[in-house]
Amino acid sequence: AQSVTQPDIHITVSEGASLELRCNYSYGATPYLFWYVQSPGQGLQLLLKYFSGDTLVQGIKGFEAEFKRSQSSFNLRKPSVHWSDAAEYFCAVGVTGANNLFFGTGTRLTVIP
Amino acid sequence: GAVVSQHPSRVICKSGTSVKIECRSLDFQATTMFWYRQFPKKSLMLMATSNEGSKATYEQGVEKDKFLINHASLTLSTLTVTSAHPEDSSFYICSAREGSPGGGQYFGPGTRLTVL
Repeated sequence: AQSVTQPDIHITVSEGASLELRCNYSYGATPYLFWYVQSPGQGLQLLLKYFSGDTLVQGIKGFEAEFKRSQSSFNLRKPSVHWSDAAEYFCAVGVTGANNLFFGTGTRLTVIP
Repeated sequence: GAVVSQHPSRVICKSGTSVKIECRSLDFQATTMFWYRQFPKKSLMLMATSNEGSKATYEQGVEKDKFLINHASLTLSTLTVTSAHPEDSSFYICSAREGSPGGGQYFGPGTRLTVL
């Protein structure tokens, strides 16, 4: 069965520092991969998605993610974090034949001045 | 990008009453919409998949008679929480899928339900 793991529950970084949020998935074929961001009390906003092709995907707000098949990973990165990036980040997997997405448990990002 | 709205954003109701939440895709047609429930500091739990013109598909453990879903048009799905109880208090989020099953989902801003 498919699953998504976000190993880090909470990450704290300084403003201006680089960021990497980890995501690992379990699925027998190539999945569709997504990163969403959720601000407190808000819905989810799609940051980026991977379907096929170039394994390095660019998203909004300066985020990027790299699909590594050998590691079953889809880590989210940003070279320089801004205070407004503080939020909850969810990795999600879509699989062939299934309508819905499978979400990880989320990583809460805190940005300190 | 695609926009999904939800109404209301926040609702407080008395125990035993029913509450209807609307989910609309504003600039695209969504043959499939999804309803999620999110508990504090938790991930999203898929409740049901709503298909336009047909019955919703509920996830295991979700009471279909309690959470009524109607997807009457390509831009509107509604979730009605019937005879709400305090344990139904939660953050309900809908999403709409644009295009093929592998396509991304666009999420509404969520509805905070508080049952007194």
